[in-house]
Amino acid sequence: DQQVKQNSPSLSVQEGRISILNCDYTNSMFDYFLWYKKYPAEGPTFLISISSIKDKNEDGRFTVFLNKSAKHLSLHIVPSQPGDSAVYFCAASATSGTYKYIFGTGTRLKVLA
Amino acid sequence: DTAVSQTPKYLVTQMGNDKSIKCEQNLGHDTMYWYKQDSKKFLKIMFSYNNKELIINETVPNRFSPKSPDKAHLNLHINSLELGDSAVYFCASSYGRGSYEQYFGPGTRLTVT
Repeated sequence: DQQVKQNSPSLSVQEGRISILNCDYTNSMFDYFLWYKKYPAEGPTFLISISSIKDKNEDGRFTVFLNKSAKHLSLHIVPSQPGDSAVYFCAASATSGTYKYIFGTGTRLKVLA
Repeated sequence: DTAVSQTPKYLVTQMGNDKSIKCEQNLGHDTMYWYKQDSKKFLKIMFSYNNKELIINETVPNRFSPKSPDKAHLNLHINSLELGDSAVYFCASSYGRGSYEQYFGPGTRLTVT
């Protein structure tokens, strides 16, 4: 039972346009969410996080939106750059529980120059 | 000045052998993790240690044994390796449990033949 799902395995976007990566979760106990970026042959790198007390968090070109009622979060990258081409993972945790993060299977983003 | 390092980066071994993967972090974190990324790209938590105490132990075969000699090190020993153990193993660390981003090592690609 995959509690965190990224239903789009891949996404292609033109340079300068917006990239929107989506993530859905099923466990209503999840209250902290993170996005990671991963380049080939490297470990995931933390990008941005959001707590369930917020519905938006912004850091430069990256914004994460959280819709608790829909159990959905999205990562917006504006403007997209070729260096953003990577696999993006969302992860969720129930901070009152065992503190473990459940990861989605990732979305491969390709930004076309 | 690598933050989270793992050795070796690649490990090729035969079924039935025993092998170890080492992890070290120089970030001053008190929580460390082992993750397994399988062929379907699922990134799953295996173990977590907080201040050398085991706090997360997922349903992992007992052939896998983590050892944390101190807060900066978390090693993974695998006995009687099987074909299904082939995967990329990532070590990670964080400042604490719960709502803290995790910093990942580069991964160890284990191939069991």
